[in-house]
Amino acid sequence: KQEVTQIPAALSVPEGENLVLNCSFTDSAIYNLQWFRQDPGKGLTSLLLIQSSQREQTSGRLNASLDKSSGRSTLYIAASQPGDSATYLCAVKGGETSGSRLTFGEGTQLTVNP
Amino acid sequence: GAVVSQHPSWVICKSGTSVKIECRSLDFQATTMFWYRQFPKQSLMLMATSNEGSKATYEQGVEKDKFLINHASLTLSTLTVTSAHPEDSSFYICSARPPLAGVDEQFFGPGTRLTVL
Repeated sequence: KQEVTQIPAALSVPEGENLVLNCSFTDSAIYNLQWFRQDPGKGLTSLLLIQSSQREQTSGRLNASLDKSSGRSTLYIAASQPGDSATYLCAVKGGETSGSRLTFGEGTQLTVNP
Repeated sequence: GAVVSQHPSWVICKSGTSVKIECRSLDFQATTMFWYRQFPKQSLMLMATSNEGSKATYEQGVEKDKFLINHASLTLSTLTVTSAHPEDSSFYICSARPPLAGVDEQFFGPGTRLTVL
């Protein structure tokens, strides 16, 4: 059964700092990996999707990398802003016994202090 | 594009009543929709996969008679929580996947907060 772990569970940084969020998964037979943002009481906003054949994706100040063989992904946020405060979720699609399901980690709650 | 809506955004009901939540894909047709639930400070757990014109596929441990799913059209799936109890209080989120070649992404609705008194 695919399991996704995110570290740290919570992170508080001053504005302007660069930061890295970590995601690991147990079954490397994935189709893709996706990073989402969730604001309190809201749905999910897709940030980046990395296909299993790719190593990274970039969008603005965000860069996500994927090392499928080691079961790891990182989300790099450059020059963090208070508006980046949210919970960041990592989800993988696939795995030997997970089929096409998305399996989510428990998220990293990010607070960027002005 | 790829907008998914949910209605209602929040609902409060009495124990024993049934509640229906709608999930709509606004600008694309979705043969497949997914229903998740999320408890406070926890991640999303897939409840069921909804396929247009056929029965939903439920995840292990999810009671299909309690959580009724109907995917009647290519743009609408509904989740009905029957005989709701306080332990059913949760955040319910749906997602939809466009049936396009090369598009392997799910788009999520804004969620529905259910509180059962």
